[in-house]
Parts: sequence; structure tokens; C-alpha cells
Amino acid sequence: KNQVEQSPQSLIILEGKNCTLQCNYTVSPFSNLRWYKQDTGRGPVSLTIMTFSENTKSNGRYTATLDADTKQSSLHITASQLSDSASYICVGVRGGAGGYNKLIFGAGTRLAVHP
Amino acid sequence: DVKVTQSSRYLVKRTGEKVFLECVQDMDHENMFWYRQDPGLGLRLIYFSYDVKMKEKGDIPEGYSVSREKKERFSLILESASTNQTSMYLCASSFEGNTIYFGEGSWLTVV
Repeated sequence: KNQVEQSPQSLIILEGKNCTLQCNYTVSPFSNLRWYKQDTGRGPVSLTIMTFSENTKSNGRYTATLDADTKQSSLHITASQLSDSASYICVGVRGGAGGYNKLIFGAGTRLAVHP
Repeated sequence: DVKVTQSSRYLVKRTGEKVFLECVQDMDHENMFWYRQDPGLGLRLIYFSYDVKMKEKGDIPEGYSVSREKKERFSLILESASTNQTSMYLCASSFEGNTIYFGEGSWLTVV
């Protein structure tokens, strides 16, 4: 069964601290793994896309890792800011025919950064 | 910047009403999607379209239909709204297998 599981469900950290969000995926055939940030009441916005051959990818203070052997990914946020408060969604993408890749969404981790 | 625009942000409809949710994208993307997002669940695909007048069922198509008469516009239709369709609906578009761009969401409450 194709699925994506994220942990923790929610997290509270103090401004300036680092944190790491986890994602375990079972997606076959695997195409790529994506992380999205979703602010409250808004649509998700792409942070990173990682293919099978990529171990690490950074986007500013966000660094995503991918371990294709263990089928795990993590999103590390450095020096958190209040604006990082959001839900972070891990998405596993299946390879598909006809140019359409099926996306398997995790339920998200809700991060709250407090001053 | 890619822009996916959902025409209605907040709607309140009565049970049994026909509901139209409109979505327009400005990047000439072939693929367009409608998702539903509920608390504690990942986004679930209702329908997607990979070309004008083409549509495919997603994971939860029951109670919904779609229309894509023009490349830039993808409409979600609830033929007879029910309370269990109260949710946030997200439209998205993409070019082939690249980044998917989401709209801001439409919050639908069915009473």
C-alpha cells in the first residue's frame, strides 16, 4: 500500500531553535519526494523536490534529506522564525504513464514557533 | 510567478444545492487537479485533468464532477451538496511531472 507517514503530528519550538521533521514513505514505483509548507488558511507551497539520487537539498534555512534505502526523509529547519509556523507536508510521488505522477500526501506536521 | 486562482474563498451552501468551484491558472499547464483537505488527513485527490475536455477520477470522486472546457480553467461541481462535503478544496496545476502549484483554497460549508 502506498502511504506517507509524518512525525510528529505537532511541534512547538522557541524562536531561534532548530527542529527536524520526519517522513517515512512507501511509494512504488518511486519518482521523487517533495516537501510543502502550508500556512494556515492558504494553499501549500513547494519547498523542495528530491529524486532517488539526491541525498540532501537546501532551500534557505530548510534542508531536506532523503534516504532511499530506509525510505525516510527529514526536513530540518535552522534558526527558526515566527514565520515558520505552518504545516509541513511530505509528499511521495509515484512514477506514472502519460506524464501524470500520482502524489501520496502525508497528513502533515503542524509547527508552532513561539517568541 | 505561477498563479492558480480559486474564485471563491468561503462559501456556505444548503444541503441539496448545486455548487460550482472555479479554478484558473495562468501558466498554460496541461495538468490540473482538485483536492480535498480535511483535518488530520492528507490531501485527497478528487479529479484531475491532463488536457482540455479530458478528466480522470482520483481517489474520492463520488459526489463530484468536473469540467475542463478551456486549458486554463478547471471547475469542480457538487451536483447535490451534502454535509459530509464540508471541507477545504484545493485546486492545483502542473506541467508534466514538475512542481505542482496550489491555489489558496476554497472553504465550503454545507448546512
